Amino acid sequence: ILNVEQSPQSLHVQEGDSTNFTCSFPSSNFYALHWYRWETAKSPEALFVMTLNGDEKKKGRISATLNTKEGYSYLYIKGSQPEDSATYLCAFIGPGSARQLTFGSGTQLTVLP
Amino acid sequence: EAQVTQNPRYLITVTGKKLTVTCSQNMNHEYMSWYRQDPGLGLRQIYYSMNVEVTDKGDVPEGYKVSRKEKRNFPLILESPSPNQTSLYFCASTSTGLLFFFGQGTRLTVV
Repeated sequence: ILNVEQSPQSLHVQEGDSTNFTCSFPSSNFYALHWYRWETAKSPEALFVMTLNGDEKKKGRISATLNTKEGYSYLYIKGSQPEDSATYLCAFIGPGSARQLTFGSGTQLTVLP
Repeated sequence: EAQVTQNPRYLITVTGKKLTVTCSQNMNHEYMSWYRQDPGLGLRQIYYSMNVEVTDKGDVPEGYKVSRKEKRNFPLILESPSPNQTSLYFCASTSTGLLFFFGQGTRLTVV
């Protein structure tokens, strides 16, 4: 079983603060890394699919970077808003595992107004 | 609208009473999978299917069965549910492996 770790487990920030979380994964046998945003009572929603070392993706105030050589990805949120409150999940896919997603346990973000 | 539909959304049942959670997708995806989510453990894969009549175990398959008779449907079957199967279940599908679509989840309680 692959080890995908996320930190921190939970995070409380004030509205307007910028924040970031980490996802670490096996640096060998990399195929893709996904970031998902998951709000309670809803389905996980894909934020980014990252496949190349050095990838940087951006969607509004949220961005992500990828380092496959050292096995980590960062997710950044600039100027956090209360509607950003959610659990952020990363998921790793290795090349030999077809479309098998191995998820981290998530970072639960709460943005306080 | 492209979607993955799970039913039911909520279910409370008793130990040993067989149940089925349905999953259906309208995107003609080959790959479908089931996950369970437990506090502090992230999403863990139960079973997956690469195509019709092709299924395989994930990381936590014990106590579950699946079938894939049609491309759009991938039901999860609990023949004899036990309290340790109380969890939040998600179905997902993809064609490319780069974009996954998830259902809205089924919260199952086994008493």
